[in-house]
Amino acid sequence: DVKVTQSSRYLVKRTGEKVFLECVQDMDHENMFWYRQDPGLGLRLIYFSYDVKMKEKGDIPEGYSVSREKKERFSLILESASTNQTSMYLCASSLAGDSNQPQHFGDGTRLSIL
Amino acid sequence: AQSVTQPDIHITVSEGASLELRCNYSYGATPYLFWYVQSPGQGLQLLLKYFSGDTLVQGIKGFEAEFKRSQSSFNLRKPSVHWSDAAEYFCAVGSNDYKLSFGAGTTVTVRA
Repeated sequence: DVKVTQSSRYLVKRTGEKVFLECVQDMDHENMFWYRQDPGLGLRLIYFSYDVKMKEKGDIPEGYSVSREKKERFSLILESASTNQTSMYLCASSLAGDSNQPQHFGDGTRLSIL
Repeated sequence: AQSVTQPDIHITVSEGASLELRCNYSYGATPYLFWYVQSPGQGLQLLLKYFSGDTLVQGIKGFEAEFKRSQSSFNLRKPSVHWSDAAEYFCAVGSNDYKLSFGAGTTVTVRA
């Protein structure tokens, strides 16, 4: 069965810290995505990767960066965490191709920045 | 660019009653359309998808959705709701690139 695993379900960090959110998929998917989910706003795409070491900015990349050194792993980095980055973060993966490939989601990381 | 509107923020339905969730999209060509469900504390699970062909699509958990091009809609339905259907539902639209655009979601509460 398809599995996307996010390393932490809950995370509490302090303003100014560098924060790493990890995501691993076991489906050999080419595409991986990071979203943030906020009430009333749905899901907004932060970054997308279509291959190892390849990335593209989504709708809200400011304050974030990503790393994809291996096909199965996609990391989201908050360079200097701020309180407005408190949110639910969802990782997803899909097969290569355009958006007709369904995305498979992890259970999310609820991040609080104090 | 595509966009999605889910007009209903919150719906309450009695167990055993029917459910319909509305979704309207904006896109110039025939879009890829999806419905996802998110149970509390979980990620999103795909319920069903539409790319082409028969405009009535069947999904998991007894859900179905109908694509109506003339109304730019892709409404989700279930004939008889179970308590386990209480969740948040997201409609999403995709195009010929990698990007999916999600609606703001509709929260469904099921009362006994």
